[in-house]
Amino acid sequence: EADIYQTPRYLVIGTGKKITLECSQTMGHDKMYWYQQDPGMELHLIHYSYGVNSTEKGDLSSESTVSRIRTEHFPLTLESARPSHTSQYLCASSELTVGGIQFFGPGTRLTVL
Amino acid sequence: QQQVKQSPQSLIVQKGGISIINCAYENTAFDYFPWYQQFPGKGPALLIAIRPDVSEKKEGRFTISFNKSAKQFSLHIMDSQPGDSATYFCAASMNNNAGNMLTFGGGTRLMVKP
Repeated sequence: EADIYQTPRYLVIGTGKKITLECSQTMGHDKMYWYQQDPGMELHLIHYSYGVNSTEKGDLSSESTVSRIRTEHFPLTLESARPSHTSQYLCASSELTVGGIQFFGPGTRLTVL
Repeated sequence: QQQVKQSPQSLIVQKGGISIINCAYENTAFDYFPWYQQFPGKGPALLIAIRPDVSEKKEGRFTISFNKSAKQFSLHIMDSQPGDSATYFCAASMNNNAGNMLTFGGGTRLMVKP
């Protein structure tokens, strides 16, 4: 079944830890995205990729980094987590064509103590 | 600068009533306007979308009304049900080399009371 997966779903860690949030999609989509969602709901684009070896920064500045070594995989890494990184992180993917629907994963809720 | 403004932030409607969520945009280059629905613990999912060459699109109980001259569009949920309780996001994108980058509104939390 074509889908988009995120792991872990919930993560509670201490300050200074390195973490990687995983995102995989089985739809063969070229384009992938990471959004940060506030408790107040608003979605902020932090990273996106047009395809393998492509990564771009989004509208909201983020200390996280991403990589795209395989089409289906788009992990997000925080080298040293801080309480300010506490948030919901949503991964999405779409076809490269204009107007392509973005499909979202279920999200990772990150809490940094 | 928020390019897509959404209102209200929260909305309470009785079962069977009509839920109306409004969005306004600034950039006249936007040419695709989707609405996403998000349930707690889930990612947003596409609900319905419209292009500016039509003024209305209906899918079941969900209708988008689009006013190009006013740069506004709205989501109407007819016969609202408790199962419609969710957060709704409007969005807009444009036909350019960046592909389908979406600009989201701030979201509306809808609660439908039984």
